Amino acid sequence: AQRVTQPEKLLSVFKGAPVELKCNYSYSGSPELFWYVQYSRQRLQLLLRHISRESIKGFTADLNKGETSFHLKKPFAQEEDSAMYYCALGRGAQKLVFGQGTRLTINP
Amino acid sequence: DTGVSQNPRHKITKRGQNVTFRCDPISEHNRLYWYRQTLGQGPEFLTYFQNEAQLEKSRLLSDRFSAERPKGSFSTLEIQRTEQGDSAMYLCASSPAQRGGFFGPGTRLTVL
Repeated sequence: AQRVTQPEKLLSVFKGAPVELKCNYSYSGSPELFWYVQYSRQRLQLLLRHISRESIKGFTADLNKGETSFHLKKPFAQEEDSAMYYCALGRGAQKLVFGQGTRLTINP
Repeated sequence: DTGVSQNPRHKITKRGQNVTFRCDPISEHNRLYWYRQTLGQGPEFLTYFQNEAQLEKSRLLSDRFSAERPKGSFSTLEIQRTEQGDSAMYLCASSPAQRGGFFGPGTRLTVL
């Protein structure tokens, strides 16, 4: 079965420190992986997708098929990065399978 | 606002009542999705439309749930005979040809 695991429900780091939000997946086909972010009182929004190989707001994520991981990283955390982060797997042609999410708090 | 909109934003109902939610996607998007999110969980897929055709339904979508997308524009999600377990945030998303859609603000349902 397709599954996305985000092992950390809560993650707290200091401003300026590196951030890594972990995501592991199980999927038998060729996965499409995404990171979504939800800031306080805002809607869920797409942060980045693996296929684009882009950096958004300083965040990057590399798909590691050997380790079935898609960890989200940022070298220097900023206070405005505090939010809920969801990793998601695109299955077949349609739906997304989401992880449980990680609440990231950046301490000043 | 040209994003995905959902109405109502909040709905409180008594157990056994019927409720209907509406989603207006981004106009040029032909794909529309409904998800449900409960506290502490990520969104869970409910159903998917491509234009007016409902192409996939999750096992989460019991017989009490029905969704429509007439004319491939807005979509409605109806829950009949609501139960307390239906209390959740109902999210709508739309996308063009590829995945990774744009989400609406959600409708929070509370069943008393």
